[in-house]
This record gives sequence, C-alpha cells and structure tokens, in this order.
Amino acid sequence: EDKVVQSPLSLVVHEGDTVTLNCSYEVTNFRSLLWYKQEKKAPTFLFMLTSSGIEKKSGRLSSILDKKELFSILNITATQTGDSAVYLCAVYASGTYKYIFGTGTRLKVLA
Amino acid sequence: AAGVIQSPRHLIKEKRETATLKCYPIPRHDTVYWYQQGPGQDPQFLISFYEKMQSDKGSIPDRFSAQQFSDYHSELNMSSLELGDSALYFCASSLGGANGNYGYTFGSGTRLTVV
Repeated sequence: EDKVVQSPLSLVVHEGDTVTLNCSYEVTNFRSLLWYKQEKKAPTFLFMLTSSGIEKKSGRLSSILDKKELFSILNITATQTGDSAVYLCAVYASGTYKYIFGTGTRLKVLA
Repeated sequence: AAGVIQSPRHLIKEKRETATLKCYPIPRHDTVYWYQQGPGQDPQFLISFYEKMQSDKGSIPDRFSAQQFSDYHSELNMSSLELGDSALYFCASSLGGANGNYGYTFGSGTRLTVV
C-alpha cells in the first residue's frame, strides 16, 4: 500500500531556530515529491523534487530528496513567526494519476 | 476511512467542449480547494470555498467557474476547453476553513485530456 509519513506531527521552536521536517514514502513508480505550506489561506506550493541529491532552495527554505532511502527533508533556517504553518508533503506516482499526501507537520514559531 | 472523492478519474474532451469535475470532501469537512497541475508544471491554486462561499481565488481562468453545494461537494465547470487545459485537477478538503486545526486531505485527482 502506498503511503507517505511525515514527522514530527507537531513542532514548537523559538525564532531564529533551524528546523528540519521529514517526509518518508513508499510508493510504486515514484515520479515526484512536493512540499506545501498551509497557513491562513489555501496551501501554497514550495518545492517539487524529482532528482535525488539535488537541493532546491528558496530563501531560508531548502529541500532535498533521497530516492534510495525514500525520504525528503525540508529545512527552514532562522525561523520567523511567519513560518508558523502546517507543512505538507505529497508524492506523485506515475501510472496511478494520483497524489498521496502525508498528514502534515504543524510548526509553531514563538517570538 | 472515507477520503476525498473526485470524479471522474479520467476525462477526454475535444476543444471547445465543456467539462465538469466533481469533488466530494471528507464527511463534515466544510472547505474545498481546487488545484491544477499541467504536465511538468508546478501545481497552481485555482479557487477555494468555505461554507459554500468562495473564500479565496487564485489563477482560475474566466472560462472556469466553481461552486460548493449545500452538501459541501464542489464542482469545477470548464467551458470552451483549450488544449492547454489538459492537466491533473485535484481538490482538497478541510474543516474550519484555512484556519482550521484539522487535517487537510487531498483527492486523487481528475486527469483531463483535451484533444
């Protein structure tokens, strides 16, 4: 059975801390892995990862995929209160035409 | 457990035709979001509804419209289809709007092919 597992489920940190969110998956015919951020509106897309070992960066956020070990991490450095949100990971498996989503990691950054 | 149901799973339409995609949220979920992902492209947020009212609007073309019904299911209506509308359309549901503290569940998507 295809599945995506995110950890931790919830995380509370102070401003300036660095956090690492994990997403592991078991799917057949893996094609891509996506990270989303959900805050006060519809989830916003962060990264799409298809190649192993290539880091994608956007400001203080970065993500990398390990297709051998079947996981991805999302790093947020120098966290700010505005980073407080639910971070979702999804895996797209070709041939099944569907996304499999994890339940998300709820991040709270305290001032 | 019940999940977000989208129908149909696959749809093939000709140019200039009309298509209707349906999304049935998790029972008791009151919020629905629609996304479009073209081949090799990033997902694009289209529109969302909370308690049957439009709550947020993204890059939805004027040829598209959507609504949420009294049973909270949502339909995305697409008219004058163009080849570029070929994409995977998926919806998600949650409880309590975007500020809700409950889980966020996505459907499997509808793959639309316009020929």
